Amino acid sequence: DAGVIQSPRHEVTEMGQEVTLRCKPISGHNSLFWYRQTMMRGLELLIYFNNNVPIDDSGMPEDRFSAKMPNASFSTLKIQPSEPRDSAVYFCASSLGGGGLQHFGDGTRLSIL
Amino acid sequence: QQPVQSPQAVILREGEDAVINCSSSKALYSVHWYRQKHGEAPVFLMILLKGGEQKGHEKISASFNEKKQQSSLYLTASQLSYSGTYFCGTGELTTGNQFYFGTGTSLTVIP
Repeated sequence: DAGVIQSPRHEVTEMGQEVTLRCKPISGHNSLFWYRQTMMRGLELLIYFNNNVPIDDSGMPEDRFSAKMPNASFSTLKIQPSEPRDSAVYFCASSLGGGGLQHFGDGTRLSIL
Repeated sequence: QQPVQSPQAVILREGEDAVINCSSSKALYSVHWYRQKHGEAPVFLMILLKGGEQKGHEKISASFNEKKQQSSLYLTASQLSYSGTYFCGTGELTTGNQFYFGTGTSLTVIP
């Protein structure tokens, strides 16, 4: 079975550029999570969707970050404009139900120069 | 509310046992445990639900004390492959499906 698929695996871009991270959840899963992981702050939940609807975006750091889930099989996390402090590994995870076990994608390692 | 894990780090010799604790200030309905190896994504170990239960997977088991809002992960006869960072994740009763990961515990097993 295909797991959670994230793209790109690595992204290096200059400060001020727009960055779009993509995620395809496991088929049949109705909950999707975006996380950011850094050495300083650990694993942080950014936003959580249930049945394509954002349930809690209180973890989104600021207005430069936005996330969408236009359908059950695709989600994006966008940063515009990007800043060096956004450098981190961004994980997408999906689950069956918000409280179910979460399957993580391999992550996107983002570096903003 | 981010749960607190203890210890922050532990080093074991192969075959030794370890306990990792996860504590929340909020009433919980579920606790998840994950392991993350360096450079990889977190991998699910087990989930414990309110009203349960102690679960086990080979030599790794966990308990959930709802009254104390705590969970513990038990690793017995540790193997080199157990090395990694262990995270608990908690689902809070008061915030519905809100989910928080703990601060993480780095576990290193040496020969």
